[in-house]
Amino acid sequence: GQQLNQSPQSMFIQEGEDVSMNCTSSSIFNTWLWYKQDPGEGPVLLIALYKAGELTSNGRLTAQFGITRKDSFLNISASIPSDVGIYFCAGPIYNQGGKLIFGQGTELSVKP
Amino acid sequence: EAGVAQSPRYKIIEKRQSVAFWCNPISGHATLYWYQQILGQGPKLLIQFQNNGVVDDSQLPKDRFSAERLKGVDSTLKIQPAKLEDSAVYLCASSLERYADRFVNEQFFGPGTRLTVL
Repeated sequence: GQQLNQSPQSMFIQEGEDVSMNCTSSSIFNTWLWYKQDPGEGPVLLIALYKAGELTSNGRLTAQFGITRKDSFLNISASIPSDVGIYFCAGPIYNQGGKLIFGQGTELSVKP
Repeated sequence: EAGVAQSPRYKIIEKRQSVAFWCNPISGHATLYWYQQILGQGPKLLIQFQNNGVVDDSQLPKDRFSAERLKGVDSTLKIQPAKLEDSAVYLCASSLERYADRFVNEQFFGPGTRLTVL
């Protein structure tokens, strides 16, 4: 079945550094979603991508829909302590309506 | 605009007991989802409703889990009897519409209910 693999699993960075993480699949996706989950909260949608090659920004966050449609990247510039959390990529399973599958997450820690 | 509401936020029960979770989606969202999130993993879909009808419940353990959305608005998820492996966060999400593909992929999540089964 379709699977999403995120890397790295965890990152420890210094405040002010830039961060890159990615999500890959052996299957093609028509949509890529990036969510952030804070401890004790539900995931919050950060960016949605709908077209291969699309580059979309949300403040200091930038995400790209890979041209092969099998990967996506999320970059965070000039990280701050509130960026701490778990970042999930997600995509709809082909021909199953709105059913999403999620990656296993990238846990980000930011040292002030 | 109010977000997805869930209650309770936390629940501790003993194995073989029953438990129920409640969700109220964003107003106007026709599609409602229940997810199970085990510690260290991404959310896994349990059941999807379109209005008050079930669209997908293929991953719902139907021998112990049940869910309903009687009036096409709020929903309850029940576990009876609970097992130790049911300890997880139960997330409810909603989205605008099933057949407008762009909207159905943007799901909005509630804060979740953290269930601990002892």
